[in-house]
Amino acid sequence: QSALTQPPSASGSPGQSVTISCTGTSSDVGGYNYVSWYQQHPGKAPKLMIYEVNKRPSGVPDRFSGSKSGNTASLTVSGLQAEDEAVFYCASYAGGNIFLFGGGTKLTVL
Amino acid sequence: QVQLVESGGGVVQPGRSLRLSCAASGFTFSAYSIHWVRQAPGKGLDWVAVISKDGNNKYYADSVKGRFTISRDDSKNTLYLQMNSLRAEDTAVYYCARVGSGWHGDYWGQGTLVTVSS
Repeated sequence: QSALTQPPSASGSPGQSVTISCTGTSSDVGGYNYVSWYQQHPGKAPKLMIYEVNKRPSGVPDRFSGSKSGNTASLTVSGLQAEDEAVFYCASYAGGNIFLFGGGTKLTVL
Repeated sequence: QVQLVESGGGVVQPGRSLRLSCAASGFTFSAYSIHWVRQAPGKGLDWVAVISKDGNNKYYADSVKGRFTISRDDSKNTLYLQMNSLRAEDTAVYYCARVGSGWHGDYWGQGTLVTVSS
């Protein structure tokens, strides 16, 4: 049960786009369309931003989008805003009734 | 609105037990599977366990298997996590999260802190 691999940090200026990757294996990210992304501000609970690779829950701005290619999923944040600064986690169903998270990526808005 | 409220956290000595609760409201509790997810201080999210909507299927991370037990009482709209043989590495904020259509947690509680220390 190894965690999914995310870069520890990412950054961009307001208005720019940034993409965060999430790399797994064919047994998790690559094997199922059950990748999700969460945003967590300091001291707060995680918030679902993307589910099933590319679906957005109601209320999440369309500036957030998800995709997957092979064993790597990606979260793209377009039109960066100051309030987007947070830690983002990916997660994936990993078969065998196991759920895995990535290590988290701290997004800094410059 | 959907609400999940965890409780039961606190300071406990290594080897002792603790039971966490997660009170749900704003949705039909019995229609959803529920996760427990934890976060050690300054660390990332770590999946702990999940229970199916009918309570018959329970799955655990290897790190807690045999020590933790997830359960639910639909008459009380409450989820539980019985934690036995606690270790220092179990120190974390514990969150419950409602499971959406594809294993994701679509609504999360605010968490309860468990500290395992002598």
